[in-house]
Amino acid sequence: DSGVTQTPKHLITATGQRVTLRCSPRSGDLSVYWYQQSLDQGLQFLIQYYNGEERAKGNILERFSAQQFPDLHSELNLSSLELGDSALYFCASSVEVREVAEHTDTQYFGPGTRLTVL
Amino acid sequence: AQTVTQSQPEMSVQEAETVTLSCTYDTSESDYYLFWYKQPPSRQMILVIRQEAYKQQNATENRFSVNFQKAAKSFSLKISDSQLGDAAMYFCAYRSGISGSARQLTFGSGTQLTVLP
Repeated sequence: DSGVTQTPKHLITATGQRVTLRCSPRSGDLSVYWYQQSLDQGLQFLIQYYNGEERAKGNILERFSAQQFPDLHSELNLSSLELGDSALYFCASSVEVREVAEHTDTQYFGPGTRLTVL
Repeated sequence: AQTVTQSQPEMSVQEAETVTLSCTYDTSESDYYLFWYKQPPSRQMILVIRQEAYKQQNATENRFSVNFQKAAKSFSLKISDSQLGDAAMYFCAYRSGISGSARQLTFGSGTQLTVLP
């Protein structure tokens, strides 16, 4: 158990719909990363939040958005869903404050949310 | 942009034997971190081992060790005394260590390891 939680575990929805994926980082971790794992694209970085603010963006579609709340949990919102959005979505967290822990650079992954768009 | 290449889509090893998974990367940065993650059938991403680029000593975690060749930009994973539970997809990943730069992981395409009883 990495200490990172994600809900729901599975999500089945229809094209055109909107869903929200939730992530709670490990206690003390300030940074949250979202990754998408699909068969054709592999593991791809979507977006990073650090202490409530957007830090970096990857190959995230305009239909997707995310935020990190004051309690540091994060939500990934996917809208106007298409068949190609079906994938495993991972959240990962890390400390990224050198004074706090030795391995501040290491990202710990949640169990993922499997999204199926029908 | 950094790239990570795993040229072995599939590997197999006999139980109790040793296997080495290959990974190469391309970067112009001098400060970075390298990781191996394991993804068993449960699909959970599990950290296996990490290596800081500034450290010359190869990282070791129990039966797992790396051969880090910075000049060659090579980062292979050696699994000794392979166990059935080692069967999984293994991903090599790169992360920048440069202050102010993006810190996301860049992954290779993975190597599916089968352990034969």
